[in-house]
Amino acid sequence: AAGVIQSPRHLIKEKRETATLKCYPIPRHDTVYWYQQGPGQDPQFLISFYEKMQSDKGSIPDRFSAQQFSDYHSELNMSSLELGDSALYFCASSLGADPFYEQYFGPGTRLTVT
Amino acid sequence: QKEVEQNSGPLSVPEGAIASLNCTYSDRGSQSFFWYRQYSGKSPELIMSIYSNGDKEDGRFTAQLNKASQYVSLLIRDSQPSDSATYLCAVVLTGGGNKLTFGTGTQLKVEL
Repeated sequence: AAGVIQSPRHLIKEKRETATLKCYPIPRHDTVYWYQQGPGQDPQFLISFYEKMQSDKGSIPDRFSAQQFSDYHSELNMSSLELGDSALYFCASSLGADPFYEQYFGPGTRLTVT
Repeated sequence: QKEVEQNSGPLSVPEGAIASLNCTYSDRGSQSFFWYRQYSGKSPELIMSIYSNGDKEDGRFTAQLNKASQYVSLLIRDSQPSDSATYLCAVVLTGGGNKLTFGTGTQLKVEL
């Protein structure tokens, strides 16, 4: 079965640079979520989109922005990168925005800021 | 106090035994509960969802939910070394849209 696709899988950036992470949801899934997981921590919700509109926002820094496109893929743009942004970034998708829909996670992007 | 709490472990069980993982949550109005398995450096993999009080079984896994006690658990029967991973409890909190709030995870080690 098709899964969530994320690219790139690994990314190394320097401080103050910009990064763009991409997420392609499971076919027919219209809801996308972004989570950040620091070393030894649980995943923290950043932002979500339903039908190309932002549906919820969590602890996402103002330096980050995201959007969902007409084909339902999503991009997370991160500017002025800081060392503390080094983490695993997961995208998840679900069939709808109802809380009863299960979220399926992609393989993640490992971002290292040096 | 975290909204979703789990014992961090490690929880060690011998191969073939039953592993019992527990999770408590603070929001009495929560309706959706999920268990994920995460291997080190990998993404969370959905094991099971549960929404109603009682038990839900899927293969070797059984999820149990008790909303009155604000408690959800995961039982793994016939534990295998490949079950060694971190198990994350995730809850959709009331008024939290549909984002997942995770516990810190319980590390399970299945020993030969």
